[in-house]
Amino acid sequence: EAGVTQFPSHSVIEKGQTVTLRCDPISGHDNLYWYRRVMGKEIKFLLHFVKESKQDESGMPNNRFLAERTGGTYSTLKVQPAELEDSGVYFCASSQFVNEQFFGPGTRLTVL
Amino acid sequence: QQPVQSPQAVILREGEDAVINCSSSKALYSVHWYRQKHGEAPVFLMILLKGGEQKGHEKISASFNEKKQQSSLYLTASQLSYSGTYFCGTGGTGANNLFFGTGTRLTVIP
Repeated sequence: EAGVTQFPSHSVIEKGQTVTLRCDPISGHDNLYWYRRVMGKEIKFLLHFVKESKQDESGMPNNRFLAERTGGTYSTLKVQPAELEDSGVYFCASSQFVNEQFFGPGTRLTVL
Repeated sequence: QQPVQSPQAVILREGEDAVINCSSSKALYSVHWYRQKHGEAPVFLMILLKGGEQKGHEKISASFNEKKQQSSLYLTASQLSYSGTYFCGTGGTGANNLFFGTGTRLTVIP
């Protein structure tokens, strides 16, 4: 069974540009989460989808971040326009039940 | 709401034991432990749901003291493969999202 995959693995962009991150959860997992880890700090929750609906987006930093989950399958996280403080590793996780979340390898975003 | 982990980093020789602590200022209903190796996805180790519960994974076990709002991860007879950053994630009742600590970097040397 394939795990959670994320694309791209790395992205380097300039301040003001737009970047879109993609996450493909494990097939059949209704729950999809986005997290972010800024260097040396904790992994911070961004938002949670149940199928295609946003269950909780309380962790989204501001309106420059837009997450979607088309048809309850893969999800995208768009940052527009990117700022320096958006740099970090963005993790996606999926789960069928509440208890165990399977994480993807992350996308390392660097904003110059 | 982020839990606090200690220590921040620890270096062990193979075969030595270590304890990683995770504490929260909020009531805990579940504690999840993950290990992440550099450049890889965090890997789920175990979840503790009840007060005083203990669980094990290989030679790694954990306890959860609901009253003290803390959990500890015990690594016994450490192996080189145990190296990585350990995160505890805490969840509230019915909550699906996790609040993670800053991580504990564990290095096991020969």
